[in-house]
Amino acid sequence: AQSVTQLDSQVPVFEEAPVELRCNYSSSVSVYLFWYVQYPNQGLQLLLKYLSGSTLVESINGFEAEFNKSQTSFHLRKPSVHISDTAEYFCAVKNTGFQKLVFGTGTRLLVSP
Amino acid sequence: EAGVAQSPRYKIIEKRQSVAFWCNPISGHATLYWYQQILGQGPKLLIQFQNNGVVDDSQLPKDRFSAERLKGVDSTLKIQPAKLEDSAVYLCASSIAGSYNEQFFGPGTRLTVL
Repeated sequence: AQSVTQLDSQVPVFEEAPVELRCNYSSSVSVYLFWYVQYPNQGLQLLLKYLSGSTLVESINGFEAEFNKSQTSFHLRKPSVHISDTAEYFCAVKNTGFQKLVFGTGTRLLVSP
Repeated sequence: EAGVAQSPRYKIIEKRQSVAFWCNPISGHATLYWYQQILGQGPKLLIQFQNNGVVDDSQLPKDRFSAERLKGVDSTLKIQPAKLEDSAVYLCASSIAGSYNEQFFGPGTRLTVL
């Protein structure tokens, strides 16, 4: 069975600073990888996903994540964060069959002025 | 396009009472999911429907939880009787059929069991 580890429960950062949210996964088979964002009192929204092809994937609001198979990682990065990026970010993994989506415990990104 | 609808948004009950949550997925989405998100944890899948059939309910506590999707559209999740540890946000999501298609989430129902 697959699993996801997000070691950082909370990441405080100043506005316009770069940020990296770490995600490591464990699986014995090929996987799909996802980052979801959850704003306060809202449901989860898909931020970006890796299915195949280029290992670097980007979102429309400046986030990117790189699939590293040898390190079993899918870290999320943004070169310059905004106050509006304050939210909880969840990494999730799914094997390429029909197994369920497994989420990490989440990382709360706190952006301050 | 309307998103996934859930009701109620908040519910407070006492232990041993029963409660039901409702979900209406995005039109045309054949797959529907119910997740439990306990404070400080990621969402955990409780049950997955494909149309009105159950695909995966391996993590559903069947002694107290039940779910149905009778006409392959909206769904109801019930807890009877509730326990303190059932306090959580219950998320409904839907997707078109396919193993990697994006799941769209509703706003969730926050349940507090006293």
